[in-house]
Amino acid sequence: QQQVKQSPQSLIVQKGGIPIINCAYENTAFDYFPWYQQFPGKGPALLIAIRPDVSEKKEGRFTISFNKSAKQFSLHIMDSQPGDSATYFCAASMGYNTDKLIFGTGTRLQVFP
Amino acid sequence: KAGVTQTPRYLIKTRGQQVTLSCSPISGHRSVSWYQQTPGQGLQFLFEYFSETQRNKGNFPGRFSGRQFSNSRSEMNVSTLELGDSALYLCASRPGLNTEAFFGQGTRLTVV
Repeated sequence: QQQVKQSPQSLIVQKGGIPIINCAYENTAFDYFPWYQQFPGKGPALLIAIRPDVSEKKEGRFTISFNKSAKQFSLHIMDSQPGDSATYFCAASMGYNTDKLIFGTGTRLQVFP
Repeated sequence: KAGVTQTPRYLIKTRGQQVTLSCSPISGHRSVSWYQQTPGQGLQFLFEYFSETQRNKGNFPGRFSGRQFSNSRSEMNVSTLELGDSALYLCASRPGLNTEAFFGQGTRLTVV
């Protein structure tokens, strides 16, 4: 019940495409869902986050869609660029008594020119 | 504003030794968490601290321990190192509880 399932494991798109990464969870106590971007040799960097009372959130070219009833959320990257090539992680946490993040397994995105 | 600073960046240790890793959170941040990242297990939670108190601990053996100081800086210690402890150890800081987490660049530990 503590897991966050992420798919696909890897994704290849052309520049300008819209890669979509999906995550699913079981524990309805999760109330915070961030996405992180990680480049080789670097720590994860927070991209965008959402809470269950919102169905969609946009920040620049990144959009989170959240489906509370299906217990799923996804990241869309609009007009993807080669510089977006990185590994993306979704995560979830229950904020009421812990800030522990449960991470998905990661998606390696490659954007070709 | 400086980010989360982890030292050292790289470390090579021998099996059986112990190691101490350090994390300086973003100025003003009071919450610090530690994660282990490996290719096989992904990102796994180790422990979290707020105002020098451990709030939560992950499913790791007692060889893994940590602490937080009054200035919010944190250290983690791994004793009796095993080959499987080779990983990227990441520290994250938050301004307070239930807020966004910002990660450092990590300490790459290699156990030989």
